[in-house]
Amino acid sequence: DAKTTQPPSMDCAEGRAANLPCNHSTISGNEYVYWYRQIHSQGPQYIIHGLKNNETNEMASLIITEDRKSSTLILPHATLRDTAVYYCIVRANDYKLSFGAGTTVTVRA
Amino acid sequence: ETGVTQSPTHLIKTRGQQVTLRCSSQSGHNTVSWYQQALGQGPQFIFQYYREEENGRGNFPPRFSGLQFPNYSSELNVNALELDDSALYLCASSGTSQETQYFGPGTRLLVL
Repeated sequence: DAKTTQPPSMDCAEGRAANLPCNHSTISGNEYVYWYRQIHSQGPQYIIHGLKNNETNEMASLIITEDRKSSTLILPHATLRDTAVYYCIVRANDYKLSFGAGTTVTVRA
Repeated sequence: ETGVTQSPTHLIKTRGQQVTLRCSSQSGHNTVSWYQQALGQGPQFIFQYYREEENGRGNFPPRFSGLQFPNYSSELNVNALELDDSALYLCASSGTSQETQYFGPGTRLLVL
């Protein structure tokens, strides 16, 4: 699997958009970008995934650059409940998810 | 739609013992993957079961084994427990081995 690079931590203000960057410069053409988050001591929660086009769902938006070497997860209106570790994962069409260290996001009131 | 469930939620064992952890898949899913998450680290893939057969395995010794049943529920068995096996054990189900995986709440195992 291609590796990803994420900042170890970031803060954002409640009610503002949170933009979480991820670099995946060695991504292959058939690899998807997945985002999960893990709130303390719970199982990871699926957020969104995409291949090349930007994606949006009720939780977040995923913006993938044209060269696919990086992406940004956008939480449009962060709340205190969005405080979590966010994992960006590049996954080929295979069976496993390879988690890195993720970004610890702290939303402050 | 029923989500992924795991039991027990917490467990304490002593070194050398054996443990069985259980997972019920989300409705309609036939694939279960197991992960180990040590404190402060990301989850690490142990193995995956698809239609009752092991479909892939991570870098874990043979004392980590699993089963999947006809109803697609699954067990993770760990023999000869070691202190380093203390971790959160997560299972995730998916429609097929290639589809999005949805995680359960995990079982926290402490080995003394």
